[in-house]
Amino acid sequence: GAVVSQHPSRVICKSGTSVKIECRSLDFQATTMFWYRQFPKKSLMLMATSNEGSKATYEQGVEKDKFLINHASLTLSTLTVTSAHPEDSSFYICSARFRAGRGPGDTGELFFGEGSRLTVL
Amino acid sequence: LAKTTQPISMDSYEGQEVNITCSHNNIATNDYITWYQQFPSQGPRFIIQGYKTKVTNEVASLFIPADRKSSTLSLPRVSLSDTAVYYCLVGAMNTGFQKLVFGTGTRLLVSP
Repeated sequence: GAVVSQHPSRVICKSGTSVKIECRSLDFQATTMFWYRQFPKKSLMLMATSNEGSKATYEQGVEKDKFLINHASLTLSTLTVTSAHPEDSSFYICSARFRAGRGPGDTGELFFGEGSRLTVL
Repeated sequence: LAKTTQPISMDSYEGQEVNITCSHNNIATNDYITWYQQFPSQGPRFIIQGYKTKVTNEVASLFIPADRKSSTLSLPRVSLSDTAVYYCLVGAMNTGFQKLVFGTGTRLLVSP
């Protein structure tokens, strides 16, 4: 199946610094990627929808100046947590939709990255 | 977006069949039902998707009644490795790039 890769898988940073997380679709093009965050034992919370070549669409309550999303190519989206604080510590997961076409068999399946665990000290 | 409701947790034993039901009373005509599995510290993984009636693949079956207001994920003969969180999602995936919103999920614990 299609592969979505995230990097780094784990990152520890000091409070006040910025951290960039990359999400790549390795063997397919993704015009749309989604970014989620997940706290321990909680469900995934959608943060934003990343669209190639245009501005990301953020969910209500998500600070766009805090979580910068760039989708510069059809295979790469980045999430930058700016001026990180301990409360930003979380598991960040990206996903991309594989679209083989709109015919039969196109499930519109979402493929998820492995996740990136951010710890802000 | 159709909201989904699932049991928070379920317990089972190895070798048993597990059925997890999801309610989605506000499902729209174009919506599909998709189930994902998530292990700790990993991204979710696609299990199965359906629109109506029954769908079966190598790992699970999905039962959808005629009114489509609920669905049941069936895992045959579970093993310890099936311990995970299972999410039911509803959305028009085949038309456009609709975002997917995750519900609470069902935490399945399989014991020896």
